[in-house]
This record gives sequence, C-alpha cells and structure tokens, in this order.
Amino acid sequence: EAGVTQSPTHLIKTRGQQATLRCSPISGHTSVYWYQQALGLGLQFLLWYDEGEERNRGNFPPRFSGRQFPNYSSELNVNALELEDSALYLCASSKTGFWDGYTFGSGTRLTVV
Amino acid sequence: DQQVKQNSPSLSVQEGRISILNCDYTNSMFDYFLWYKKYPAEGPTFLISISSIKDKNEDGRFTVFLNKSAKHLSLHIVPSQPGDSAVYFCAASYYGGATNKLIFGTGTLLAVQP
Repeated sequence: EAGVTQSPTHLIKTRGQQATLRCSPISGHTSVYWYQQALGLGLQFLLWYDEGEERNRGNFPPRFSGRQFPNYSSELNVNALELEDSALYLCASSKTGFWDGYTFGSGTRLTVV
Repeated sequence: DQQVKQNSPSLSVQEGRISILNCDYTNSMFDYFLWYKKYPAEGPTFLISISSIKDKNEDGRFTVFLNKSAKHLSLHIVPSQPGDSAVYFCAASYYGGATNKLIFGTGTLLAVQP
C-alpha cells in the first residue's frame, strides 16, 4: 500500500511569490491534514479537509489556503510568500480521525528567499 | 501559547537502558494523547496513544503513562535500541472538539548510544 505522497520534496521561492504544495493520501483515506513545522517549533495545525470540504483551519492568515479534489488528493497554496513561511510542510491522512493516528508524508521543504 | 510542552530538547541513553521522554500539557480538555517518532527526511510515524480513561498503555517495548492530575505524560522505551534514535513528538487532542486536529509539542531528540 502506497503511503502519503507529497510533491515537490523541496521548493525554493522568492518573497511575494506563490507556492503550491501537493499531497496524495493513502487509498481509502478521505481526510487530509496540513501541518507546518518551522525551525524550533512543533508541528502547527494548518488545515483539515474531509470529503472535499474544509472542516477546520488553524491560526494562520488567509494567504494560506487549499482544496481537496474528488479523488481526495489535496493542494496547499501559500500566497504572497514571506521569509517566515520557510518551513517543512507535512501532509497527513486518516480514514477516521486522530485517534487512529495520522499517517504523515515526508513533507515539502519550502524555502523563501 | 504552547499547550503541549516537551521541555527536554534532547536525551542521550545507552543501548539496553530505559529511555524516558516527558511531556506536559496545560489544557484540561485534552483527553487523548499520542506519541510520534520522526527520522530525518521522513514524516512523523505514529507510535502509541492513550485515552484519558487510562493511566497506562503498552505496546511491546513502548509504554505511555498518563498522570491527569499533574497534566503529564511520559513515554518509556525498554530496552532502548540504536534504531530508536529519532525525534519524538507528543501530541494531544479532545474528542469533543470536532476539530480533528492534534496539538504537538516541540519534540525531543533521543540518541541511543551503542
């Protein structure tokens, strides 16, 4: 069974640009979660998508947005990039909820210069 | 406001000995706790969880203890192996929140010396 896949692995963008990160969940998983891990910080919850709908978002500005497609894959868009957006962005998926433990992908390392 | 805290950034243990990783939380509404392990260049991997109705949960070499009155949980690894060297994150959530999100600590880097 394929795990959660994320692309690209690394992304370098200039301040002010837009970044698009992609995630494919495990087959059968309908929920996708996005987390940001900035240097020295724990994983910060960004977004939760389930059945194509945004169910919850963390304490991030509106320039962080995303969507979930009918095949349950998801993309995260970050507009008007700022230097502090440089971080590891992790996608996870689950069939039920957090109590089964998410399955995480390996992440996309975004660097804003 | 860091609701889940791992105050030890790193821990070094000899192979075969016990590793104890600690985690404190501040939100009394949390009723479910998880531990994840993360190797470099990989995503976190779910390790073990515990519900607030229990005070202990075991899975092989891994045991999680929960002290609700102290708002403290710990992960014990016995015996520790070099392959256990990784960053360990504790996380918390609550069923009633309907947010389905986990609140993570900042992680503890465990180094198991051969």
